[in-house]
Amino acid sequence: QKEVEQDPGPLSVPEGAIVSLNCTYSNSAFQYFMWYRQYSRKGPELLMYTYSSGNKEDGRFTAQVDKSSKYISLFIRDSQPSDSATYLCAMTAGGAGSYQLTFGKGTKLSVIP
Amino acid sequence: GAVVSQHPSWVICKSGTSVKIECRSLDFQATTMFWYRQFPKQSLMLMATSNEGSKATYEQGVEKDKFLINHASLTLSTLTVTSAHPEDSSFYICSASPLRRDTQYFGPGTRLTVL
Repeated sequence: QKEVEQDPGPLSVPEGAIVSLNCTYSNSAFQYFMWYRQYSRKGPELLMYTYSSGNKEDGRFTAQVDKSSKYISLFIRDSQPSDSATYLCAMTAGGAGSYQLTFGKGTKLSVIP
Repeated sequence: GAVVSQHPSWVICKSGTSVKIECRSLDFQATTMFWYRQFPKQSLMLMATSNEGSKATYEQGVEKDKFLINHASLTLSTLTVTSAHPEDSSFYICSASPLRRDTQYFGPGTRLTVL
């Protein structure tokens, strides 16, 4: 079993839809969870950063972490064509000397006008 | 804030030559920088972890003599691909981790094409 599982998609939604992106993980030591957005031929851009369980909202984006289920989600409200990109989840156990991130494979999202 | 730059953004070179890629954290200090490579339609593959003032730690299967990493300051790390071959053609991305933060900020990437 891979440490982080993420459905690669592709996922196509109409403009204005609510998008749900998910990752599951197996390492219970993970405490820091991130979502990155990567446009084609660009470096990943940090969207959301959360610590431990709970919800975090930033504009149209909401990140959820359920450590008991080892499941994290990213919701995008009122999706726009500019949201079309690959979304990568990433996580780390944290702490000194543990800065390495473990990534999901990424989900490719297309928002159709 | 938290901007990371890379230079060059793309490079084409002949087989057998060496290429140096720079990674800079522009508005924060980074004790740790990371180098990744990414093949088309695949996720990021960590190549090495670089700490300022010390030798880089390479992932299994990454040749340290081929991919030379220097992290000379808290804002600059370089990756030199020595004696490049066509199979080294890829998208190389660096990231930097701010002090006491368990996250990484990525550069825009460098596309290397070896002819």
